[in-house]
Amino acid sequence: SAVISQKPSRDICQRGTSLTIQCQVDSQVTMMFWYRQQPGQSLTLIATANQGSEATYESGFVIDKFPISRPNLTFSTLTVSNMSPEDSSIYLCSVPAGGAYGYTFGSGTRLTVV
Amino acid sequence: EDQVTQSPEALRLQEGESSSLNCSYTVSGLRGLFWYRQDPGKGPEFLFTLYSAGEEKEKERLKATLTKKESFLHITAPKPEDSATYLCAVQAQHNQGGKLIFGQGTELSVKP
Repeated sequence: SAVISQKPSRDICQRGTSLTIQCQVDSQVTMMFWYRQQPGQSLTLIATANQGSEATYESGFVIDKFPISRPNLTFSTLTVSNMSPEDSSIYLCSVPAGGAYGYTFGSGTRLTVV
Repeated sequence: EDQVTQSPEALRLQEGESSSLNCSYTVSGLRGLFWYRQDPGKGPEFLFTLYSAGEEKEKERLKATLTKKESFLHITAPKPEDSATYLCAVQAQHNQGGKLIFGQGTELSVKP
């Protein structure tokens, strides 16, 4: 299955600033997914990123707050914009693993906004 | 609305003490149910996919089962290295795009 390299692993940011998270996959994939895991909560899908088209956002998430780029079939970025303490979460990218192997996840980015 | 509920929220076991984790789900047509293990500071690690009621999958000390309303993750004679948070997720038939709905997880602690 695919291997995902996610950066940064953690960051502490000032409110009002933006952070861009990167995910690099070692193979070409059509879909990439971005999830958020708030403290004590389950993983929630933010958006689906397809190469060559606009990302599809889930209810409650908007492009102005979470712009996504997908320049090719192995790379994607998620930006968390104009951050507030409520954005403190773990952000994860995911790709299909193929067959019955579900989905592979990156190691996550632990974001703290102060 | 598609929904996943896991119980218990936390489970403490002694090494060798077998138990089960529960995942109850409500979904309009099940495409697949997934079990993941998540260690602190890491992303979820895939364990199993189940597709239809009656299906079972095993891996070392873990066995996952599926009915039309719930799934169980049975842990036989657990070891301290089995300590982790176990996540259950479902994918609905109507969701062609790969969206997973996750439960909140069960935090398992196995003491030696």
